[in-house]
Amino acid sequence: DTAVSQTPKYLVTQMGNDKSIKCEQNLGHDTMYWYKQDSKKFLKIMFSYNNKELIINETVPNRFSPKSPDKAHLNLHINSLELGDSAVYFCASKPTGPHEQYFGPGTRLTVT
Amino acid sequence: GEDVEQSLFLSVREGDSSVINCTYTDSSSTYLYWYKQEPGAGLQLLTYIFSNMDMKQDQRLTVLLNKKDKHLSLRIADTQTGDSAIYFCAERDNTDKLIFGTGTRLQVFP
Repeated sequence: DTAVSQTPKYLVTQMGNDKSIKCEQNLGHDTMYWYKQDSKKFLKIMFSYNNKELIINETVPNRFSPKSPDKAHLNLHINSLELGDSAVYFCASKPTGPHEQYFGPGTRLTVT
Repeated sequence: GEDVEQSLFLSVREGDSSVINCTYTDSSSTYLYWYKQEPGAGLQLLTYIFSNMDMKQDQRLTVLLNKKDKHLSLRIADTQTGDSAIYFCAERDNTDKLIFGTGTRLQVFP
């Protein structure tokens, strides 16, 4: 199946831990994104990469570090997790140009 | 900064039309989108409209754009229970970033 996939789907961890979420797209897209959706369903962009280069970096704590080993992958590493990091994290991708974004199924992160 | 607003809830009877409204502030937006999010799922693109269009129709969906008032609406004809979801409007800004609205939770009852 051609799609945007994320692993894991659910992640429960304790405060202070470091965790990673992975995203892969096999659509051949050049641009990938991370979004955060909070408990009120508000969706906000965090980062975007184009061909492995960081393009957008919103005001996100530097505990969050995206890494793009190749243009099909964009991983999100989070250090020293806090309660407020609990949310659903969505990965998305799109081709270069004015095209729509395709979203992954989301990773629900719960920090206890 | 950019801001996209939607009403939070809409409840309609099955078979009726639903109209979900959205207002935005960025007059330079070139594309506006409607996404659907079902419970526990990701976002699915429903439709989009270029800023130089007033209306776009796609089967049961009709998008109306009033660029002067910066108002976007999504009309769903013959609403079904499977249409129950959260609907997000989004604008593309001049940095190619999507700014999402607050989402409208549509509930369809029989």
